[in-house]
Amino acid sequence: GAVVSQHPSWVICKSGTSVKIECRSLDFQATTMFWYRQFPKQSLMLMATSNEGSKATYEQGVEKDKFLINHASLTLSTLTVTSAHPEDSSFYICSASAHRNTEAFFGQGTRLTVV
Amino acid sequence: KQEVTQIPAALSVPEGENLVLNCSFTDSAIYNLQWFRQDPGKGLTSLLLIQSSQREQTSGRLNASLDKSSGRSTLYIAASQPGDSATYLCAVRRSTSYDKVIFGPGTSLSVIP
Repeated sequence: GAVVSQHPSWVICKSGTSVKIECRSLDFQATTMFWYRQFPKQSLMLMATSNEGSKATYEQGVEKDKFLINHASLTLSTLTVTSAHPEDSSFYICSASAHRNTEAFFGQGTRLTVV
Repeated sequence: KQEVTQIPAALSVPEGENLVLNCSFTDSAIYNLQWFRQDPGKGLTSLLLIQSSQREQTSGRLNASLDKSSGRSTLYIAASQPGDSATYLCAVRRSTSYDKVIFGPGTSLSVIP
């Protein structure tokens, strides 16, 4: 199957700083990427849908100014957690697909800890 | 709005048993349904993908079925092993609303040696 690489796999940052997470499709061009968040012992909650070259579509309740998403190319999307706080500590995972009706492939996830 | 549910939320079985995990979704407008496995603190491992036109998929001891009209999918695990212990998630890809992939809450499986 296709490979989606997410970086970093884990990060610890101080409260008030910003953190950028990268999601790359390594062997295919991804027209759509999804960003998810997972709290301990809970399922994955969709945060936003990112389409190359256009603004991301955020799910209800997700602060677009806090979670900045950029899908600048067909192989790269980034999620920036701005002014991070301890409550932003979570597992973030991205997904990419080549076309709207094809399989979505998932990155390995990023564990963010804000101290 | 697409809602995905999974039953049971948790399951504990002795080794060797066959078991069935259930997934239901409210909107049948889907491209596909996918079953994943997630170990504690880890990412997702894709198990089976069923396209909306398909009825089932098999891989080793795993068999997944899809009944799109009733909004149901089942994951059948044969001859369970302790290594099967994990959380199992089903996810549907919508054919509307930006083609989102929506996850169910998961079933936590424990296989006792």
